[in-house]
Amino acid sequence: GENVEQHPSTLSVQEGDSAVIKCTYSDSASNYFPWYKQELGKRPQLIIDIRSNVGEKKDQRIAVTLNKTAKHFSLHITETQPEDSAVYFCAASPGTASKLTFGTGTRLQVTL
Amino acid sequence: NAGVTQTPKFRVLKTGQSMTLLCAQDMNHEYMYWYRQDPGMGLRLIHYSVGEGTTAKGEVPDGYNVSRLKKQNFLLGLESAAPSQTSVYFCASSRQDLIPNTEAFFGQGTRLTVV
Repeated sequence: GENVEQHPSTLSVQEGDSAVIKCTYSDSASNYFPWYKQELGKRPQLIIDIRSNVGEKKDQRIAVTLNKTAKHFSLHITETQPEDSAVYFCAASPGTASKLTFGTGTRLQVTL
Repeated sequence: NAGVTQTPKFRVLKTGQSMTLLCAQDMNHEYMYWYRQDPGMGLRLIHYSVGEGTTAKGEVPDGYNVSRLKKQNFLLGLESAAPSQTSVYFCASSRQDLIPNTEAFFGQGTRLTVV
């Protein structure tokens, strides 16, 4: 089955700096890669996703890049703000929701 | 629009007791899932359902049973709780297939402690 590895497990940045979280996947059949944000005590929520026929996708301060050959994808957050502090999960799927495999999460702390 | 609602939000069980977690969604989604979240382990799929009357095993199904008698409800049962089942449980639902900008909607979670 699919195996998703996520690094780093914790990340601390100063407000205004950029943050990068990286994930690798093992199943070449995976073609859908969402990122979820989970604030403390809250439910995970989708923040951005990408399909394998696209190399990069941006949404304001958030971007995701995908290298299908190397089987890795990354989340980039620019101009970080305190409200970006949360746990971020990457995931990979062959396009059917039943096979969505999550990474272990990255706890991002944005300090003033 | 409530989305995905889980009941209860917190529960403490003694080893060997049984309980049922209820998940309800009002988005007419076909797929529903139960995940458990443990520190450093991410979200792991316990069981899932691709439609009313169907269930299937996920990554960590042992010790759990599920039922999907109605499209909007997905029940997770623990017949004989064990301390290893102490976790935060999340229910989620989604459309049949994941496409960009179609997400799996999560409930608010159930924190279960087995003593």
